[in-house]
Amino acid sequence: EPEVTQTPSHQVTQMGQEVILRCVPISNHLYFYWYRQILGQKVEFLVSFYNNEISEKSEIFDDQFSVERPDGSNFTLKIRSTKLEDSAMYFCASGPGQGVATQYFGPGTRLTVL
Amino acid sequence: SQKIEQNSEALNIQEGKTATLTCNYTNYSPAYLQWYRQDPGRGPVFLLLIRENEKEKRKERLKVTFDTTLKQSLFHITASQPADSATYLCALDMPPTIYNTNAGKSTFGDGTTLTVKP
Repeated sequence: EPEVTQTPSHQVTQMGQEVILRCVPISNHLYFYWYRQILGQKVEFLVSFYNNEISEKSEIFDDQFSVERPDGSNFTLKIRSTKLEDSAMYFCASGPGQGVATQYFGPGTRLTVL
Repeated sequence: SQKIEQNSEALNIQEGKTATLTCNYTNYSPAYLQWYRQDPGRGPVFLLLIRENEKEKRKERLKVTFDTTLKQSLFHITASQPADSATYLCALDMPPTIYNTNAGKSTFGDGTTLTVKP
């Protein structure tokens, strides 16, 4: 069964450094998402993406964040200058599109900012 | 302000019983509501979706109801098994601005951790 994959599984970085989290959505999906989950807290929406542009974004998704679909398979989340409070599990999700709301989540990347 | 509440942080039941989890919301008008399962350190796994015009959905041992008047969804697991032990999340999806051409977003509740004891 097709799955969303994410790399790396764990990223450790110093405060102020840039990180890029990578995702390979399910191949025929059209909607793409990033969520984050701080340890012990709820899953929080960051951004959704369709047709090579951002559909929705939350207040968390400020100028430090950006997303890109550099080719037909990858979907990336970049954090330009990481802060301690960016430490969290980051989940990528994809959906079939065409009005179907179901999202399929990847295993997550655990980001630790020191 | 908008709020999603799941009935309790933890629910413990005996194997074979029916688990009932509650999701209440205020100040939302969701187009649909989804239930996910999340195991520790893993991503949410989609279980069921129910639309605003649907009252009930079933899938194997799972049943979801959606009452837009009460602003509540109930999630039932019948004949529960220890393998059902996990955190269950409800998520509300708003109507996208331009339906079908906007990926929209999901807003998650805090989750209820279910433990099924043998």
